[in-house]
Amino acid sequence: EIVVTQSPGTLSLSPGERATLSCRASQSISYTYLAWYQQRPGQAPRLLIYGASNRATGIPDRFSGSGSGTDFTLTISRLEPEDFAVYYCQQCGSPPYTFGQGTKLEIK
Amino acid sequence: QVRLQESGPGLVKPSETLSLTCTVSNYSINTDYYWGWIRQPPGKGLEWIGNIYHRGSTYYNPSLKGRVTMSVDVSNNQFSVKLTSVTAADTAMYYCARLRVGVAYSWGQGTLVTVSS
Repeated sequence: EIVVTQSPGTLSLSPGERATLSCRASQSISYTYLAWYQQRPGQAPRLLIYGASNRATGIPDRFSGSGSGTDFTLTISRLEPEDFAVYYCQQCGSPPYTFGQGTKLEIK
Repeated sequence: QVRLQESGPGLVKPSETLSLTCTVSNYSINTDYYWGWIRQPPGKGLEWIGNIYHRGSTYYNPSLKGRVTMSVDVSNNQFSVKLTSVTAADTAMYYCARLRVGVAYSWGQGTLVTVSS
């Protein structure tokens, strides 16, 4: 099973700032098989990024993904109030499709 | 726009079987997407339970040790999951999802299942 580790656990920033979230897999995965999700309190997760860098339908362009091999990054260029949430990365290259433990993005 | 809705008992007794159904609207289940279940214990992260194709092929997370079974009902545009011999550790929000290459493109709102006597 591929273990996915996210850092930091909590990120405290202010609206308008830039957020950088990291995701590391325990073994190399094709960039095709890395996804990011956002989960707001009391809501189901929603897909933000698939294939490491492709925005899902309706996702603003302030969200971007990058990376390859074992190291991936989600960047939010200018934080909006609605962006403060928990973010999960997921590897889809090798079943079981495992998630990271999440990064909580909170208002500073 | 596709809509997924989970349904089933919110309370299950220990050692019994958890059964949930996901009803898909505005999209035929009989397509090239997979359909799956993901759960989230209260205050914790996400766990992949498994997925099923409309033709019946399945993949289950080995961590569930053979306790899980999924099925699809094309005529009613639904798919289901059963988890046997539940314990308190199976208490979670259960989400159904539409999947492609393991990516959950669409999610249901989730249903909370509590295992307690």
